[in-house]
Amino acid sequence: AQSVTQLDSHVSVSEGTPVLLRCNYSSSYSPSLFWYVQHPNKGLQLLLKYTSAATLVKGINGFEAEFKKSETSFHLTKPSAHMSDAAEYFCVVSEGYTGGGNKLTFGTGTQLKVEL
Amino acid sequence: DTGVSQDPRHKITKRGQNVTFRCDPISEHNRLYWYRQTLGQGPEFLTYFQNEAQLEKSRLLSDRFSAERPKGSFSTLEIQRTEQGDSAMYLCASSAIQGGGSPLHFGNGTRLTVT
Repeated sequence: AQSVTQLDSHVSVSEGTPVLLRCNYSSSYSPSLFWYVQHPNKGLQLLLKYTSAATLVKGINGFEAEFKKSETSFHLTKPSAHMSDAAEYFCVVSEGYTGGGNKLTFGTGTQLKVEL
Repeated sequence: DTGVSQDPRHKITKRGQNVTFRCDPISEHNRLYWYRQTLGQGPEFLTYFQNEAQLEKSRLLSDRFSAERPKGSFSTLEIQRTEQGDSAMYLCASSAIQGGGSPLHFGNGTRLTVT
């Protein structure tokens, strides 16, 4: 069985300061990991994905995440927050084994607030 | 790429009524998924199709729920005898068959309110 735990339900940062959204995963197989973002009244947008290649993954809008197998973590970071980054962020795992159909398991989300 | 489209965007219905939602995936995607998202939670998997075959259903999908993808293109999700607990955002997503690393592309969802 696969699962993800997002360690913070809310994170608040000032504009221009670094962002860290924490995620730990559990998986019986070699997982694929994703971060999705959801702006109010908008669909889920893929930020980045890890699929067993480079452990440091770069995504859109300056976000990146590092896969650490020893810590079973996949934290999302950004050096400098922008007001437009305010949204809900979901850490997602897919075991991706043959027949698993890319079924995704979502975390409960982290609401990012960016203040002036 | 026109993206995944869902219709309607919003649906308000009275308890006990039936509702049907439609999803049009990205045209070259073989896999289609339905998820449900309630307030303050992440999306939860309901079911998925590969072409026209429904390959997996979650235990969340009670017998009042049925999904179809008759020609392997668009899909419908029907809820019979709706209950207030069915109020949620219903999300559709599609992906290509490329193994476990294929990301899902989501539509904007159908928000269901059962009164």
